[in-house]
Amino acid sequence: TQLLEQSPQFLSIQEGENLTVYCNSSSVFSSLQWYRQEPGEGPVLLVTVVTGGEVKKLKRLTFQFGDARKDSSLHITAAQPGDTGLYLCAGAYRSGSEKLVFGKGTKLTVNP
Amino acid sequence: NAGVMQNPRHLVRRRGQEARLRCSPMKGHSHVYWYRQLPEEGLKFMVYLQKENIIDESGMPKERFSAEFPKEGPSILRIQQVVRGDSAAYFCASSLIAKRSSYNSPLHFGNGTRLTVT
Repeated sequence: TQLLEQSPQFLSIQEGENLTVYCNSSSVFSSLQWYRQEPGEGPVLLVTVVTGGEVKKLKRLTFQFGDARKDSSLHITAAQPGDTGLYLCAGAYRSGSEKLVFGKGTKLTVNP
Repeated sequence: NAGVMQNPRHLVRRRGQEARLRCSPMKGHSHVYWYRQLPEEGLKFMVYLQKENIIDESGMPKERFSAEFPKEGPSILRIQQVVRGDSAAYFCASSLIAKRSSYNSPLHFGNGTRLTVT
């Protein structure tokens, strides 16, 4: 069974703090995507990483793909209440495969 | 807004009834995917369809569940004789024509149908 482990499962922080969430697998991904989901809505794609060691930045969010393409991290700088949500990573184990495997997510709460 | 449209947003069914969930993909998208999300669980792949074809149904339960994406009209996920364990949020996503590249075409998700079986 191909699994994506996300940690931590829950994270509650104060506005202005920094945080990192992780996505790990024992298998190699051909690509990995990060999504953000708010209550009552569908996931929204934030970024896709493809190359081992790749780093992508989206304003205060920094995404990193591990060199071996087995893990990824999302770092948020100076978190804001608007960052509150469920962060999901999803991996494709085969190039061009349309079937994504999702982690259970990290539920982030940023308190004002 | 030409996003992925799912309806109904909420659906309540008694055990043994049928549930029909509809999904209209984004304009220009010919690939549709259905995922199921249980509380405290990640999204689980169910089925991948193109117009008039089921490409991958490896995540679909063998009984009671079926999906279609006709030439005209929305994609339909049908659950017959629902049981309480079918209660979940069902999400549809669509993408552009997939290419054999090193990365997957981004998925655009609808806001889901929340099925409650009483």
